[in-house]
Amino acid sequence: EVQLVESGGGLVQPGGSLRLSCAASGFTFTNSWMSWLRQAPGKGLEWVANIKRDGSEKYYVDSVKGRFTISRDNAKNSLSLQMNSLRAEDTAVYYCARVNSQYAAFDIWGQGTMVTVSS
Amino acid sequence: DIVMTQSPLSLPVIPGEPASISCRSSQSLLHSDGYNYLDWYLQKPGRSPQLLIYLGSNRASGVPDRFSGSGSGTDFTLKISRVEAEDVGVYYCMQPLQAYTFGQGTKLEIK
Repeated sequence: EVQLVESGGGLVQPGGSLRLSCAASGFTFTNSWMSWLRQAPGKGLEWVANIKRDGSEKYYVDSVKGRFTISRDNAKNSLSLQMNSLRAEDTAVYYCARVNSQYAAFDIWGQGTMVTVSS
Repeated sequence: DIVMTQSPLSLPVIPGEPASISCRSSQSLLHSDGYNYLDWYLQKPGRSPQLLIYLGSNRASGVPDRFSGSGSGTDFTLKISRVEAEDVGVYYCMQPLQAYTFGQGTKLEIK
């Protein structure tokens, strides 16, 4: 079964750090660009970061540059998002997703993990 | 940044009736390769988003043929020929041409 399962969400204070993980199965992870997206409570979708198949290229939305780091471990079929200097506006459900390069679309999504930044 | 604008934001529909959602981009999404870089997603209540349409008019695997995408350049439309109860949710258009940006979403509900 094709699947992405996120973990690592929780409550963190402003200025704190959190590391999200995403376990992939059912497809060839090493052949896929991967992404993190997020959705603030009651709001729309926002792309956060992308990483190339071999991890050699990474891209970020401006609002997280310098604070978030996307990474992957192809040996473990795993994607991560290290989030530092967290702000209240980072509160959201975070999804990992596969980028289907042929379709130029996110064709597989995880169930999401909630991150709450609050004192 | 490319700004995506959807309308309407709320769409009440009677089951069996058609529905249409418009999406406009601030820049052309027509690439030199001939494809329009515009996707449609549906987020059902309490669920993750799912891909419906890619590259403007191609249905993703498993998507019923009552869903269709059309348009080119800056104006796009998602049509549902006959709405069913399971189509309830929020529909988003997204451009993957320059990074990725989504429309605000259109909430489809059953009348």
